Amino acid sequence: GQQVQQSPPASLVLQEGENAELQCTYSTTLNSMQWFYQRPGGRLVSLLYSPSWAEQRGGRLTSSAASNESRSSLHISSSQITDSGTYLCAMVRNSNNRIFFGDGTQLVVKP
Amino acid sequence: GGIITQTPKFLIGQEGQKLTLKCQQNFNHDTMYWYRQDSGKGLRLIYYSITENDLQKGDLSEGYDASREKKSSFSLTVTSAQKNEMAVFLCASSISSSGNTLYFGEGSRLIVV
Repeated sequence: GQQVQQSPPASLVLQEGENAELQCTYSTTLNSMQWFYQRPGGRLVSLLYSPSWAEQRGGRLTSSAASNESRSSLHISSSQITDSGTYLCAMVRNSNNRIFFGDGTQLVVKP
Repeated sequence: GGIITQTPKFLIGQEGQKLTLKCQQNFNHDTMYWYRQDSGKGLRLIYYSITENDLQKGDLSEGYDASREKKSSFSLTVTSAQKNEMAVFLCASSISSSGNTLYFGEGSRLIVV
């Protein structure tokens, strides 16, 4: 079955200025996680990388993880129209360093 | 900074044809990956390589071949293109295979006519 589940599934629509929270849950023991952003037709760009499950911050983005809860979250504060796009999480499995991706959440920020 | 370049951006071929995608990186990374991204779906690993001349199968390797003849380049061949495998193919690299951050190319879209 799917190793990594993202929520909300498919899409999330917000008004500009609202905060967003995206989540990943996973089904195996992992040693790191990474969040990516992709514009339609664009390349995946790494947003935050957490090798040790510590909270990571980058501007309006914060990722937090709880390995004992098998969950990771990406918080986007004060969303902007330019934040619109697809957000994917990726998890690295402990045993063999294989990387598993979620299906992505499409974020739409409206004016 | 480094960059990953994928060619061609669009690859058009006929059903049954053998088609090759190329990827170059100048990060001097050891590990390179080929992923397939279907519309609205996550990425599925086709092949990866942890060093020059190494090849490891991913979850979706059937119907594909790969080649890592140089550290900086990793090519992927669709052995017999089918219409149900029209997708975007993404190349990525990382310093090593030990869970380091991934850097991606812009993708190559396969179109089968």
